[in-house]
Amino acid sequence: DAGVTQSPTHLIKTRGQQVTLRCSPKSGHDTVSWYQQALGQGPQFIFQYYEEEERQRGNFPDRFSGHQFPNYSSELNVNALLLGDSALYLCASSLMAGQFLDTQYFGPGTRLTVL
Amino acid sequence: RKEVEQDPGPFNVPEGATVAFNCTYSNSASQSFFWYRQDCRKEPKLLMSVYSSGNEDGRFTAQLNRASQYISLLIRDSKLSDSATYLCVVETTNFNKFYFGSGTKLNVKP
Repeated sequence: DAGVTQSPTHLIKTRGQQVTLRCSPKSGHDTVSWYQQALGQGPQFIFQYYEEEERQRGNFPDRFSGHQFPNYSSELNVNALLLGDSALYLCASSLMAGQFLDTQYFGPGTRLTVL
Repeated sequence: RKEVEQDPGPFNVPEGATVAFNCTYSNSASQSFFWYRQDCRKEPKLLMSVYSSGNEDGRFTAQLNRASQYISLLIRDSKLSDSATYLCVVETTNFNKFYFGSGTKLNVKP
């Protein structure tokens, strides 16, 4: 049973560029959440996708956008990259059970460096 | 005020020691609580969920105090392999958002 997978593992971009990160959830999971983790900090919630819609969003600008596909996989897009966007981007998958979100399982992350 | 606050540490303890971490949360509507463990440059991994009655998993014990809005993690008989950052996580059910603390770093020394 494959766990959560993310690609790419590492990425180097320059300021102003755009980036797309990808995530495949754990088998049987239908919800994907994205987090940004800066060095020395805990993960910060970006947004969550369920049934191909953005259900929840954290305090991130519109430069951060996403998408969920019918197979539950997801993309995170960041436009007009800033130096401060350098971080580990984590995808977490879970199963929505009624109004509750079950335990989240994390992928290995994509380490983004913006120069 | 942050949703979840933790002492960043580091906690430096010898092997075999007992160590405890606390975490406070600000939203009284929070419903679910977890401890995750994160090794250096790795993803967070679920250590244990935290239930109102408290729960134990081997050397690890988690407690929840809703009145004071804090959760705790106790590690007994520390092993070198317990060295990691421990993240406190709180879910606000109304919004299905998970809030992470900044983590508490534990170093277990021989």
